[in-house]
Amino acid sequence: AQSVTQPDIHITVSEGASLELRCNYSYGATPYLFWYVQSPGQGLQLLLKYFSGDTLVQGIKGFEAEFKRSQSSFNLRKPSVHWSDAAEYFCAVGAQTGANNLFFGTGTRLTVIP
Amino acid sequence: DGGITQSPKYLFRKEGQNVTLSCEQNLNHDAMYWYRQDPGQGLRLIYYSQIVNDFQKGDIAEGYSVSREKKESFPLTVTSAQKNPTAFYLCASRPGPTRTEAFFGQGTRLTVV
Repeated sequence: AQSVTQPDIHITVSEGASLELRCNYSYGATPYLFWYVQSPGQGLQLLLKYFSGDTLVQGIKGFEAEFKRSQSSFNLRKPSVHWSDAAEYFCAVGAQTGANNLFFGTGTRLTVIP
Repeated sequence: DGGITQSPKYLFRKEGQNVTLSCEQNLNHDAMYWYRQDPGQGLRLIYYSQIVNDFQKGDIAEGYSVSREKKESFPLTVTSAQKNPTAFYLCASRPGPTRTEAFFGQGTRLTVV
């Protein structure tokens, strides 16, 4: 069965520091992978996606993620965090078949301190 | 502008009442989804629909009902059978079932009073 694990419930970083949010997935074939961001009381906004090809994916707001098949991971990174990046981040995996085929992790809440 | 509109943003329900959350999209997407979000639990799928007049239960469908009479509309009814309805509800749509991301509305916060 497909599943997504985000091992870090809450991360605190200083403004200007680098960031890495972890995401591990379980899926029997090549998945489609997504990172979303959610501000309090808002919907989810897509940061980036991976379908195939280059395993380093660039997204909006200066974020990038790297797909590592051998580690079943799709970690999100940003070289320098801004205070406005404080939000909750969700990793999701999409299966290649099936109608109900988008699975979300439980999220990582990011706090940015000045 | 194309997008997904959820209304109302805040909703209060008395014990024993049914309430309906609205979700409308003008993206011409075939698939639509309802998720429930509780702190620390991520997104849990309530119902989804791939085409008009067809929908399937997700992981936590008990106490909820939906309809899909039009492509652009997918309302969710929270019935009195839902014992703990206080949550944040998100509607999403996708162009198709594969190789596509989900687009989300801004959510409805339902509170039982």
